[in-house]
Amino acid sequence: GENVEQHPSTLSVQEGDSAVIKCTYSDSASNYFPWYKQELGKRPQLIIDIRSNVGEKKDQRIAVTLNKTAKHFSLHITETQPEDSAVYFCAASKGNTPLVFGKGTRLSVIA
Amino acid sequence: EADIYQTPRYLVIGTGKKITLECSQTMGHDKMYWYQQDPGMELHLIHYSYGVNSTEKGDLSSESTVSRIRTEHFPLTLESARPSHTSQYLCASRGEGQGNNEQFFGPGTRLTVL
Repeated sequence: GENVEQHPSTLSVQEGDSAVIKCTYSDSASNYFPWYKQELGKRPQLIIDIRSNVGEKKDQRIAVTLNKTAKHFSLHITETQPEDSAVYFCAASKGNTPLVFGKGTRLSVIA
Repeated sequence: EADIYQTPRYLVIGTGKKITLECSQTMGHDKMYWYQQDPGMELHLIHYSYGVNSTEKGDLSSESTVSRIRTEHFPLTLESARPSHTSQYLCASRGEGQGNNEQFFGPGTRLTVL
């Protein structure tokens, strides 16, 4: 089955700097790659997703890139702000199968 | 407003008790899921369903069972709670199709087993 590895497990950045979180997946048939943000005490919420027919997607300060050949995808957050501090999860799936989540990255943005 | 609802939000019970965690969604989704998550940690898939009368075990069945008699309702039952079941339980649902594939999570039930 699918296996998703996520790195790093913790990340600290200065406010205004960029943050990058990377994930690799094992099943080349996976075609949907969402990213979730979970703030302390809250439910995970989708922040951006990408499909396998697209190489990059951007939404304001957040972007996701996908390299199907290497089977990895990354989340890029530019101009980080304290409210970006949270746990971020990547995931992968194909067709109707359940999302397979990475173990999460705890991002701290230091003011 | 379309959403996912979970009750109770907090529950403290003694070892050996049988409990049912409720999950309802008004999203109109066929696919529903139960996850176990210690705060801020990895999400463990417990059970999932593709629709009415469909139930599947995830990676962490944790001595629990589910049922899916109605599209909007997906309850999780622990037959005999143990302290190792202490955790947060998140229900989720997901749409179908390229433009409607987002998975939404409920607010969670925080369970403590003494």
